[in-house]
Amino acid sequence: DTGVSQNPRHKITKRGQNVTFRCDPISEHNRLYWYRQTLGQGPEFLTYFQNEAQLEKSRLLSDRFSAERPKGSFSTLEIQRTEQGDSAMYLCASSFENQPQHFGDGTRLSIL
Amino acid sequence: GQNIDQPTEMTATEGAIVQINCTYQTSGFNGLFWYQQHAGEAPTFLSYNVLDGLEEKGRFSSFLSRSKGYSYLLLKELQMKDSASYLCAVMNDYKLSFGAGTTVTVRA
Repeated sequence: DTGVSQNPRHKITKRGQNVTFRCDPISEHNRLYWYRQTLGQGPEFLTYFQNEAQLEKSRLLSDRFSAERPKGSFSTLEIQRTEQGDSAMYLCASSFENQPQHFGDGTRLSIL
Repeated sequence: GQNIDQPTEMTATEGAIVQINCTYQTSGFNGLFWYQQHAGEAPTFLSYNVLDGLEEKGRFSSFLSRSKGYSYLLLKELQMKDSASYLCAVMNDYKLSFGAGTTVTVRA
């Protein structure tokens, strides 16, 4: 069991730049989730995939955010025209159906 | 909406027992989950309850009362490595809604 893998672990970029994160879920898991966590808070739900279908996007996810899971395996989360408020830890999780979700180590995004 | 409350901080002595309470008011309920998170690391799944009662997993136990909107996580025989944030989360359909977490500090 290799667990959920995310890369990069850290990303520092200037305001206005685009960034893309990748998540590789546990192989037998059909569900994939993206969350965002800021200091001192619990993770907040962003979006969810069942296989390759994106079934829900949180209102937290503005038009600058887009997520894909093209073949129902790995997923990417892109943020366009980054803003200071985008600085956070972006966590990916996966599960088989409604079984407990398992999280990756996250990508920490810092906007200069 | 979702409202999940848990204490901000707790301190306990090595070898002791600590109980972390969580109360929730949510629009839907499919289960209550507890995660452990060390600073800078991923949340790690500890325990979950779908039905009322106590679930025991080694040194960790979790209790649920759906009628009271209440759960607790019990950590026994505390070890220094248990110092971490403990997150209470309610599942509604497939989404987890998390509390802000309880930072537990274990002292020698």
